[in-house]
Amino acid sequence: GQSLEQPSEVTAVEGAIVQINCTYQTSGFYGLSWYQQHDGGAPTFLSYNALDGLEETGRFSSFLSRSDSYGYLLLQELQMKDSASYFCAVFNTGGFKTIFGAGTRLFVKA
Amino acid sequence: IAGITQAPTSQILAAGRRMTLRCTQDMRHNAMYWYRQDLGLGLRLIHYSNTAGTTGKGEVPDGYSVSRANTDDFPLTLASAVPSQTSVYFCASSGTSGGGTDTQYFGPGTRLTVL
Repeated sequence: GQSLEQPSEVTAVEGAIVQINCTYQTSGFYGLSWYQQHDGGAPTFLSYNALDGLEETGRFSSFLSRSDSYGYLLLQELQMKDSASYFCAVFNTGGFKTIFGAGTRLFVKA
Repeated sequence: IAGITQAPTSQILAAGRRMTLRCTQDMRHNAMYWYRQDLGLGLRLIHYSNTAGTTGKGEVPDGYSVSRANTDDFPLTLASAVPSQTSVYFCASSGTSGGGTDTQYFGPGTRLTVL
């Protein structure tokens, strides 16, 4: 079967660094994406990794290890507005059978 | 219209009734998707379409049907609604009809309650 696992909740303080992990099991793999969703809002795209290594976009970075079926999202210089749910998503072979993780709720406290 | 829109914003529906959720995008994206989001379960793919005239089944297609008569519109129909279909429904689109490198753009969602 296909599945993604990520922690259900993470709490961190403003200004800190937090890492949200995602492990996946899929019958075909194309790439790993991350999405952010604030309460009551729609998911918005953050990053995508197709190859091993680190991708950096401002305060957010995403890492992928295909051999370990593992990735993470790194958020630096946390701000209160980063409090949201973060989803990893796998695009399997063909790209259309998109599987999302259950999401990690990030609480940023002052 | 800018981006992707959904209608209605919310709806309360009696069990057994038929309901169509509307989704329209103006980005000329080839691929469109319907997801449902339930607490603790994340987003689950219901149906998708990689181009006008074609559709495919996702993870949880039972009880739902879709059509893709043109590039812009991708309606989702519940033929006979049941309480387990109470959920938030998101429509999304992406730019090309192959591969997983495309960002998916999500609509604002429809909150559906089936009583």
